[in-house]
Amino acid sequence: QVQLVQSGPEVKKPGSSVKVSCKASGGTLGNNAINWVRQAPGQGLQWMGRITPISGTLTYELKLQGKVTITADESTATIYMELNSLNFHDTAVYFCAREERVHLEQWGQGSLVTVSS
Amino acid sequence: QSALTQPPSASGSPGQSVTISCTGTSSDVGLYNYVSWYQHHPGTAPKLIIYEVSERPSGVPDRFSGSKSANTASLTVSGLQPEDEADYYCSSYAGSNNYVFGTGTKVTVL
Repeated sequence: QVQLVQSGPEVKKPGSSVKVSCKASGGTLGNNAINWVRQAPGQGLQWMGRITPISGTLTYELKLQGKVTITADESTATIYMELNSLNFHDTAVYFCAREERVHLEQWGQGSLVTVSS
Repeated sequence: QSALTQPPSASGSPGQSVTISCTGTSSDVGLYNYVSWYQHHPGTAPKLIIYEVSERPSGVPDRFSGSKSANTASLTVSGLQPEDEADYYCSSYAGSNNYVFGTGTKVTVL
């Protein structure tokens, strides 16, 4: 059974960037898209974007275009989500999730990113 | 893309039922039968409990059911149990490989 294992917590300064990884442990990425979702403290889930590794097809949430970059390394079965120009509102838990048909079937454990001066 | 609208909270006693609404637009919930529901216990990963409006993944109790009418989807939890206390989020496909989540509903088991 493939599991999605994410990178550990990060503390970043405002204005810097962060790169969070999501590895398909025990298998490959397959044909499924991987989505990124975040949850800021006290807030709900926010869909950020997705990548289909096999085709490289990328989609970003409109408000995050230019701020988020999602990439895939099929050789290591790892998806990356990079967020630039960090501000305090980017403090959140970031989840990757494997898409099956049109829903998010399997989720990573989450990665906490804290933006602090 | 605006978030789908859910009530902030819902509650019921053990054994009772609770229904959560999820209101979108004719461009998401109303257009596609691709509404899913996720159960989220804080500090853990969200868990898929309903997909394609009313389908249950393997292992999800049949106490959880989903439906949709026009631009509003609903999740019903029947026979509430203490472990059902969690946050619940709906999500809809919104076209062109985009998704949108609901605002979330905190379910309390009294």
